[in-house]
Amino acid sequence: DGGITQSPKYLFRKEGQNVTLSCEQNLNHDAMYWYRQDPGQGLRLIYYSQIVNDFQKGDIAEGYSVSREKKESFPLTVTSAQKNPTAFYLCASSMGPGLAADTQYFGPGTRLTVL
Amino acid sequence: GENVEQHPSTLSVQEGDSAVIKCTYSDSASNYFPWYKQELGKRPQLIIDIRSNVGEKKDQRIAVTLNKTAKHFSLHITETQPEDSAVYFCAGLDTGRRALTFGSGTRLQVQP
Repeated sequence: DGGITQSPKYLFRKEGQNVTLSCEQNLNHDAMYWYRQDPGQGLRLIYYSQIVNDFQKGDIAEGYSVSREKKESFPLTVTSAQKNPTAFYLCASSMGPGLAADTQYFGPGTRLTVL
Repeated sequence: GENVEQHPSTLSVQEGDSAVIKCTYSDSASNYFPWYKQELGKRPQLIIDIRSNVGEKKDQRIAVTLNKTAKHFSLHITETQPEDSAVYFCAGLDTGRRALTFGSGTRLQVQP
């Protein structure tokens, strides 16, 4: 867990703004993931990436965008098209496909609030 | 894709009692089932996981059982302590996209 960092810890967004959440890992993991968690709810998959320069939409990708230009970095942009972005955002990583490689470890999260 | 359902949504036990949380999954090919514990405002922490080649796994007071035929798995916590109070999430691996699908969570409260 200590090898995954997210910044900022708290983020405030005005309506109409795009904001970018940072996720970095030094675990040499191939796969990275973004989840959204609403109060009292489970984790919903936004985007995931199994390898550098490739990523896939999850269950709630609308209004979000990602890039995976480097193995250690997977930033998430919350665009103005996301109408209800207030939530706790969690980044995770795993080694990648293979035995024992699906175990996901989470970063500390970013709490986004729309003003 | 994978669909994971989790029950109960809340669970209150007395300190020292056992707690059981159950999950069902839909993806017959799924072969990896982790459990996470999340304290308020914190990240989910992996507490135990099981793969489909075994039926049970234990780690001190925590155990997980898996029934592949019925497509369900359970978390068992024995001799509960107040510090076990948290939200617990089960998950199943969606083999199509190799990403976890999470249950909706169980809020466990251990009464001293």
